[in-house]
Amino acid sequence: DGGITQSPKYLFRKEGQNVTLSCEQNLNHDAMYWYRQDPGQGLRLIYYSQIVNDFQKGDIAEGYSVSREKKESFPLTVTSAQKNPTAFYLCASSIPGQERIGYTFGSGTRLTVV
Amino acid sequence: GQSLEQPSEVTAVEGAIVQINCTYQTSGFYGLSWYQQHDGGAPTFLSYNALDGLEETGRFSSFLSRSDSYGYLLLQELQMKDSASYFCAVLNSNSGYALNFGKGTSLLVTP
Repeated sequence: DGGITQSPKYLFRKEGQNVTLSCEQNLNHDAMYWYRQDPGQGLRLIYYSQIVNDFQKGDIAEGYSVSREKKESFPLTVTSAQKNPTAFYLCASSIPGQERIGYTFGSGTRLTVV
Repeated sequence: GQSLEQPSEVTAVEGAIVQINCTYQTSGFYGLSWYQQHDGGAPTFLSYNALDGLEETGRFSSFLSRSDSYGYLLLQELQMKDSASYFCAVLNSNSGYALNFGKGTSLLVTP
């Protein structure tokens, strides 16, 4: 079955450490996205990529970095510069121009800073 | 800038009809989407409106008025499993066609 896999499901990080969240899709979607969700809040866009080897900052990109070396993969690194990284991180993919199909989301990674 | 407004909470009785409104302010508007998210789960796509009018998909319908910068999601024959958060999201050219989500409406369906 096609879908998006995020790993790990839960992640604990010490302050000052960088950590990388994995996102892999086998849907052959060109576009991929990272969103952050805080309790009781909507989804805020961190980074997005419409094509391999290209990505754009979203509304809250500070303290995060991404890469898009393969169509299937869009890892997110949460750096020590991110002041408040504890949150639920969601990865999504889509086919640009196929808005009636919508985004497919992964099951998320819950990051906690300890 | 851009903004989306939707009610934070709505409560309705099983079998009833509920409408969740969404107003938005943005430039370069392309369309309005709706997503459902159960607690701790992944959001799932419900609908997308690019043109004015009502789109129906089973028990769910979505409406858009571009001139009023307004849309709503209509849920009919409510079931307990419909208890979830519902997000409206705007697609526009300002963010490279990436969706901008509202804060969500928590729907509680009671017996």
